[in-house]
Amino acid sequence: DQQVKQNSPSLSVQEGRISILNCDYTNSMFDYFLWYKKYPAEGPTFLISISSIKDKNEDGRFTVFLNKSAKHLSLHIVPSQPGDSAVYFCAASARGGADGLTFGKGTHLIIQP
Amino acid sequence: DTGVSQDPRHKITKRGQNVTFRCDPISEHNRLYWYRQTLGQGPEFLTYFQNEAQLEKSRLLSDRFSAERPKGSFSTLEIQRTEQGDSAMYLCASREGPGETQYFGPGTRLLVL
Repeated sequence: DQQVKQNSPSLSVQEGRISILNCDYTNSMFDYFLWYKKYPAEGPTFLISISSIKDKNEDGRFTVFLNKSAKHLSLHIVPSQPGDSAVYFCAASARGGADGLTFGKGTHLIIQP
Repeated sequence: DTGVSQDPRHKITKRGQNVTFRCDPISEHNRLYWYRQTLGQGPEFLTYFQNEAQLEKSRLLSDRFSAERPKGSFSTLEIQRTEQGDSAMYLCASREGPGETQYFGPGTRLLVL
């Protein structure tokens, strides 16, 4: 059973527009959430994170929103740029990370010129 | 400031052979994680060290998998008697403390023939 779900395998967005990537989780013990970006043949690169005590965190063009009651988080990228084309992974942790991160399957974001 | 490094980046082996991968974490990070990523999936947590202590190893895929971190610095992941199903990307990550972000290395891509 997948505890972190990214239901959109791919997403195509026009350059300059907003990209919204979604993630749902089932484990109520998760208390820290992260988004990673991955290019082929490379390791995941950290983008932004949010603790369960917050509902929003912003860093430049990237904003993560957390809705604990719905067990849902989303990553907003504004404006989208060609270099944003990559696979984006949502990840979650509990117990201070002692169980490692639990990842979704990823969403392939394609920015169209 | 160097990131997480992994060696080798690629490994091709024949079924039944043993392989060992090395991970060097970011120098001040005392927590180290190993993950496996197969095609179309997110990274899957395998094991976790805090300094030299292996605090979580129940998620190692079988008794053919083992990991060490003898001096609390670099770590090795060994797979004995490799099988074709072991072909995957093996990722290492490190972090400084509880609740902090995990930073990933570039991964070791294993192909078992």
